[in-house]
Amino acid sequence: DTEVTQTPKHLVMGMTNKKSLKCEQHMGHRAMYWYKQKAKKPPELMFVYSYEKLSINESVPSRFSPECPNSSLLNLHLHALQPEDSALYLCASSPVGRTAGTYEQYFGPGTRLTVT
Amino acid sequence: AQSVTQLDSQVPVFEEAPVELRCNYSSSVSVYLFWYVQYPNQGLQLLLKYLSGSTLVKGINGFEAEFNKSQTSFHLRKPSVHISDTAEYFCAVSDDGGSQGNLIFGKGTKLSVKP
Repeated sequence: DTEVTQTPKHLVMGMTNKKSLKCEQHMGHRAMYWYKQKAKKPPELMFVYSYEKLSINESVPSRFSPECPNSSLLNLHLHALQPEDSALYLCASSPVGRTAGTYEQYFGPGTRLTVT
Repeated sequence: AQSVTQLDSQVPVFEEAPVELRCNYSSSVSVYLFWYVQYPNQGLQLLLKYLSGSTLVKGINGFEAEFNKSQTSFHLRKPSVHISDTAEYFCAVSDDGGSQGNLIFGKGTKLSVKP
């Protein structure tokens, strides 16, 4: 199973709402990532979790709050977002460490977020 | 710091014609190189990867790429494209400094295949 799943597919939220994005993988990968992708741009890294611990936070505003409850799940909690946060949010996973042999990341289909 | 340059933002081509999408990278250390494809309103799918060994790498959907260390390039090729190959293609390099293999993406090349 080389699939990363993300829910929901689409989300529309107001600027005062609280919502969460969910990501799941069952490949045994111990690194998981959140990316933000604006139209016609490459993905921008937001957060990296390694062995369920936050290892990289790319200076993301606090209105985005990641959580990794276990090795298969990754959440992104959203609160008080701005219209410019509208984008495709991608989750990915990969093996960790040089002994894993490869560094490719497997991406989910994304959540299309619209902030009104 | 590593970086990736995709020289063409758009590549129009007729169906059944060959195509080459160019990618150059800069790095002072060993690199791992990848090509991803993104179809409209979808996530990224790995096409192929170069980690070590043979410089000619074959991937899915008939694509291949050649790693050229002296020219710091990793160009993607397909001998005959189909309409269904219309998509955005991203070249990426892995950061060798960490254990997670964080990806650095190029800006992407939009391949448009016309009938």
